[in-house]
Amino acid sequence: GAGVSQSPRYKVAKRGQDVALRCDPISGHVSLFWYQQALGQGPEFLTYFQNEAQLDKSGLPSDRFFAERPEGSVSTLKIQRTQQEDSAVYLCASSPVQVREKLFFGSGTQLSVL
Amino acid sequence: QKEVEQNSGPLSVPEGAIASLNCTYSDRGSQSFFWYRQYSGKSPELIMSIYSNGDKEDGRFTAQLNKASQYVSLLIRDSQPSDSATYLCAVRPFNDMRFGAGTRLTVKP
Repeated sequence: GAGVSQSPRYKVAKRGQDVALRCDPISGHVSLFWYQQALGQGPEFLTYFQNEAQLDKSGLPSDRFFAERPEGSVSTLKIQRTQQEDSAVYLCASSPVQVREKLFFGSGTQLSVL
Repeated sequence: QKEVEQNSGPLSVPEGAIASLNCTYSDRGSQSFFWYRQYSGKSPELIMSIYSNGDKEDGRFTAQLNKASQYVSLLIRDSQPSDSATYLCAVRPFNDMRFGAGTRLTVKP
């Protein structure tokens, strides 16, 4: 595709509900990142994939958060038993593998947990 | 200590003035440095990238890098109201990328 696509754009969940957020990166981009951005804050790193390998998941805030990229393209971020503090914008970004390459961001998924 | 530190601001400058934004980082192995601009409700968009010590100019924007001091800055000359946004410093130590909390800039007409 022409850009990074994220869905849904908005998600409202009741506390305790499980949610799944999808990211479709730019075709051919090896690297895929997930960030969490709270209102008024910078993007906080969650996890990073190179192809299907999850190389860094140190930013995942708890074991309720799980990310996968089974075929090295589309990625899903799953949040189990959502809590109010999970309310944020979840940004996905992709890039070629070279370290000098910039990240291309999707429009984000705004998650509101009631 | 956070990996990337920025003054959160807000920073307010009059139209036509120079806006100066600063950032420090902790990982000495960092190789690539970026400034992103983020308008409210939008995703970050790249303004500048810099990889070597010194200055890099692009139009009204100048990025400065000092690896010895682990310091990156962004200067915006002739600031315009349309420059009002949050500016994010990003550092790429290897394959991942870490962001600062952002500095909110307001340019007053």
